[in-house]
Amino acid sequence: GAGVSQSPSNKVTEKGKDVELRCDPISGHTALYWYRQRLGQGLEFLIYFQGNSAPDKSGLPSDRFSAERTGESVSTLTIQRTQQEDSAVYLCASSLGTGGAYEQYFGPGTRLTVT
Amino acid sequence: GIQVEQSPPDLILQEGANSTLRCNFSDSVNNLQWFHQNPWGQLINLFYIPSGTKQNGRLSATTVATERYSLLYISSSQTTDSGVYFCAVIGGSYIPTFGRGTSLIVHP
Repeated sequence: GAGVSQSPSNKVTEKGKDVELRCDPISGHTALYWYRQRLGQGLEFLIYFQGNSAPDKSGLPSDRFSAERTGESVSTLTIQRTQQEDSAVYLCASSLGTGGAYEQYFGPGTRLTVT
Repeated sequence: GIQVEQSPPDLILQEGANSTLRCNFSDSVNNLQWFHQNPWGQLINLFYIPSGTKQNGRLSATTVATERYSLLYISSSQTTDSGVYFCAVIGGSYIPTFGRGTSLIVHP
């Protein structure tokens, strides 16, 4: 009965370095979403995965951002050549499916600080 | 994409007061959720309510899908209700859109 987990909880990196953020969804949830939340702002959609379908990458802000998901389990969000404007909390959510009738459940987030 | 507007942006209450938070959206939706983001940043599910009315303790919510709005009612507010309340919708594109939130502070 574990919820969505994310690691690391905090990450401090130097500008220009690459980072990988991990998300473990709720078991059995086929849909997985990544969001970015800047300080004092709402949630900005980045990407979602639905089962074996091609992911919807329409929210990724630049080609420095990419994400992968292995089947219906773990997902990693990679940010290459980090910039200071990438500093934010990155949140992951999972649901039984996309679209209507499925609630999203959120992990605790990864706070990324780029120095 | 769908536009989501939440009001008021900020709300300050004394413990025991009641409040109403509003979420307006610009197009038909298949999915609407209310979340509470606590001071530690965790998003807590309050309601999944694409239409109709639901109640859970001191909280209740109503969505009038035909008029494209949802309301979250908090009665007898407590200090632990403090935080940010978000409305999130999903329409035909399957891409979730969040409002900017209502920041609530409840004073003892």
